[in-house]
Amino acid sequence: KQEVTQIPAALSVPEGENLVLNCSFTDSAIYNLQWFRQDPGKGLTSLLLIQSSQREQTSGRLNASLDKSSGRSTLYIAASQPGDSATYLCAVSNTGTASKLTFGTGTRLQVTL
Amino acid sequence: NAGVTQTPKFRVLKTGQSMTLLCAQDMNHEYMYWYRQDPGMGLRLIHYSVGEGTTAKGEVPDGYNVSRLKKQNFLLGLESAAPSQTSVYFCASNPGLAGGPTDTQYFGPGTRLTVL
Repeated sequence: KQEVTQIPAALSVPEGENLVLNCSFTDSAIYNLQWFRQDPGKGLTSLLLIQSSQREQTSGRLNASLDKSSGRSTLYIAASQPGDSATYLCAVSNTGTASKLTFGTGTRLQVTL
Repeated sequence: NAGVTQTPKFRVLKTGQSMTLLCAQDMNHEYMYWYRQDPGMGLRLIHYSVGEGTTAKGEVPDGYNVSRLKKQNFLLGLESAAPSQTSVYFCASNPGLAGGPTDTQYFGPGTRLTVL
């Protein structure tokens, strides 16, 4: 059974800092890995998707990496802003499982002025 | 193009009452999913469907039933609600086999359900 863990559970940083969120998974036979953002009381917004054959994806100030062999992914946020404050969720789909997602419990990020 | 919509947005039930949550998508996606989100536990898959007329159990299916009579709709039913079913319910869709590993899941805005 796939298990996804996210560390830390919560993080508070001053504006402008670069930061790294971590995600680990137990079954390396993944189809893809996705990072989502969730604002309080809202739905999920997809940030980045990394296919199992890829090592990283970038979108603006966000960079996600994938090391399938070690079961790890990181989400790097450059020059953080207060608007980045949200919960970040990592989710994995395994090969041959109808793209079902297994989620981590998230990292709650607060960027302070 | 509305994406994935969910009805209702909020609902309060008494123990033992029944209700149906409706999910609709206008992207012609094959796969649809129901997840629940509870504090400290992340999102967990309840049921899913890989096409019209099909349904399958996810990680936490007990106490729920689903139907996919039309490709664009996926219904989640609670026959006899319990306080343990108090949660936020999210529906999602995915293109399915017509897509590939680059296809993300698209999520609805959620339904906040409280069972007293």
